[in-house]
Amino acid sequence: GQNIDQPTEMTATEGAIVQINCTYQTSGFNGLFWYQQHAGEAPTFLSYNVLDGLEEKGRFSSFLSRSKGYSYLLLKELQMKDSASYLCAGMDSNYQLIWGAGTKLIIKP
Amino acid sequence: GAVVSQHPSRVICKSGTSVKIECRSLDFQATTMFWYRQFPKKSLMLMATSNEGSKATYEQGVEKDKFLINHASLTLSTLTVTSAHPEDSSFYICSAKPTTGGGDTEAFFGQGTRLTVV
Repeated sequence: GQNIDQPTEMTATEGAIVQINCTYQTSGFNGLFWYQQHAGEAPTFLSYNVLDGLEEKGRFSSFLSRSKGYSYLLLKELQMKDSASYLCAGMDSNYQLIWGAGTKLIIKP
Repeated sequence: GAVVSQHPSRVICKSGTSVKIECRSLDFQATTMFWYRQFPKKSLMLMATSNEGSKATYEQGVEKDKFLINHASLTLSTLTVTSAHPEDSSFYICSAKPTTGGGDTEAFFGQGTRLTVV
């Protein structure tokens, strides 16, 4: 079956670094997406990985290992506004998005 | 967890025809549903916000007459792509926000529909 696993909730301190892990099992693979969703708002795109390795975009980086079915989202220099849910989604061979349940990130001062 | 069913998952249609995509919340009521479009390897784009019993709110640049949205009940919203053209080929995703839970309730996503217009 197809499945996306990510932690339900994480807590971190303002200014620190946090890594949100995601493991995936999809029928075929056409990429791994990360989205940020603030409470009550639509999700916003953060990153897309289809090749192995790390992609950096400012304070956010995303990593993919296709052989391990594993990805992580790395957030540096955490700010209070980073408190949100982070959604991991894998795209299968039919271009269907398989969504994780989301990781609620709580930032403390 | 809450389940959102989107149908069909894949559809191929001829240019000039119309296609209807359904989004159903299976175990909860959803006053608000969202419709997104995603191009390959690009970000998810919000097309419109659908509110039960009232007109949908479209994002800037989205043609209302092209993408008809009907949210006739608390568990069903439909997106109809009218007079489809090859450039409408894309991945369409819906999400539904539970009516209960307050303003910070998160939305749950459907599986998406791959539309190919030939």
